[in-house]
Amino acid sequence: EMQLVESGGGLVQPGGSLRLSCAASGFSFSSNSMSWVRQAPGKGLEWVSYIGGGSRTIYYADSVKGRFTISRDNAKNSLYLQMNSLRVEDTGVYYCAKSDFFDPWGQGTLVTVSS
Amino acid sequence: QAVLTQPASLSASPGASASLTCTLRSGINIGTYRIYWYQQKPGSPPQYLLRYKSDSDKQQGSGVPSRFSGSKDASANAGILLISGLQSEDEGDYYCMIWHSSACVFGGGTKLTVL
Repeated sequence: EMQLVESGGGLVQPGGSLRLSCAASGFSFSSNSMSWVRQAPGKGLEWVSYIGGGSRTIYYADSVKGRFTISRDNAKNSLYLQMNSLRVEDTGVYYCAKSDFFDPWGQGTLVTVSS
Repeated sequence: QAVLTQPASLSASPGASASLTCTLRSGINIGTYRIYWYQQKPGSPPQYLLRYKSDSDKQQGSGVPSRFSGSKDASANAGILLISGLQSEDEGDYYCMIWHSSACVFGGGTKLTVL
């Protein structure tokens, strides 16, 4: 069974940093692209970033470009999101999702940016 | 104007059919895009339902009932998610998505109420 488990969320002050992780199992991790998608409280889905299986292709949403960095370690079946210069509007649940059609999704990890 | 526009809410009766629309911004031709659809229930991550570009290029999500289907209305420049034989468990938020200019874009979501 394919499974994605996010971790690393928490409360951080504006301007701070967090590193999210996503542990994958049940499929060939290195053969699949991965993405991060977030959801602010009570709001819709917002795509954050994409990384190809070999890490050669990386895309970011304009809202996070220059502040967030996506990466992966195929030997550890893990996906990461380094988030710097965090803003209040970055608050939300962050999901990792497999492939370019986002199936499956993890359960999410909550990031709260507040003073 | 948003890239993808979905009606905020839709109500339908059990056993009836519901047609959820996802309209592309003027100037973006729906004919060239795969439209992806997701269902999200309160407190849970989104789940992939299906992908539709044409009758020869479509994909049903694993375990997704055949009463969920996709189509397009080229005259309206819109993707459509049709849910037939509505059941109470179909209540939730539905999101459409496309890949556009090296970025993933979600519609704002439609809240489907079955009553």
